[in-house]
Amino acid sequence: DGGITQSPKYLFRKEGQNVTLSCEQNLNHDAMYWYRQDPGQGLRLIYYSQIVNDFQKGDIAEGYSVSREKKESFPLTVTSAQKNPTAFYLCASSIGFGETQYFGPGTRLLVL
Amino acid sequence: GQNIDQPTEMTATEGAIVQINCTYQTSGFNGLFWYQQHAGEAPTFLSYNVLDGLEEKGRFSSFLSRSKGYSYLLLKELQMKDSASYLCAVRVTGGGNKLTFGTGTQLKVEL
Repeated sequence: DGGITQSPKYLFRKEGQNVTLSCEQNLNHDAMYWYRQDPGQGLRLIYYSQIVNDFQKGDIAEGYSVSREKKESFPLTVTSAQKNPTAFYLCASSIGFGETQYFGPGTRLLVL
Repeated sequence: GQNIDQPTEMTATEGAIVQINCTYQTSGFNGLFWYQQHAGEAPTFLSYNVLDGLEEKGRFSSFLSRSKGYSYLLLKELQMKDSASYLCAVRVTGGGNKLTFGTGTQLKVEL
């Protein structure tokens, strides 16, 4: 089955801790994206990658970091510099940048 | 920047037809997407319009007017499972083909 997986489904972060959210796809898509969703707001773009070994900041990149060492994987690290990390995080991929995006099931991050 | 407006909430009756509107102000418009999102789940792709007119897919249709900066999603023969949030997203060339999402319209289908 082809698709996008995200893990874990729920993640708890302590003050001052960095946490990493996993995103894997086996759709052979070149482009991958990370979004953050807060209640009453639209999805906001954190980082995106058009191709392996390349990534760019989105609209709200501060306090986050990513890597794209493999085509299938685009992990997101929420650093301690992100002061308001509680949100629903969605990973997406598309066959090419700007094409139709398909989303993973999401990770809900909560702060202890 | 881009500005996308959708109604926050709508209520409709099972079996009826509902139209969800989306208006946008952008430069370099390059396509509009509609997604459905059930609570706590991932958005799923519904439709894509880049030229003016109506695109039909079963019970769902989407319309675009580029000159008016306007789109709507039409849902026919509503079912209870259609209760969800519907997201409008605009792609612009000036933004490097990134998507900008509206805040979504929460649709509640009642008996």
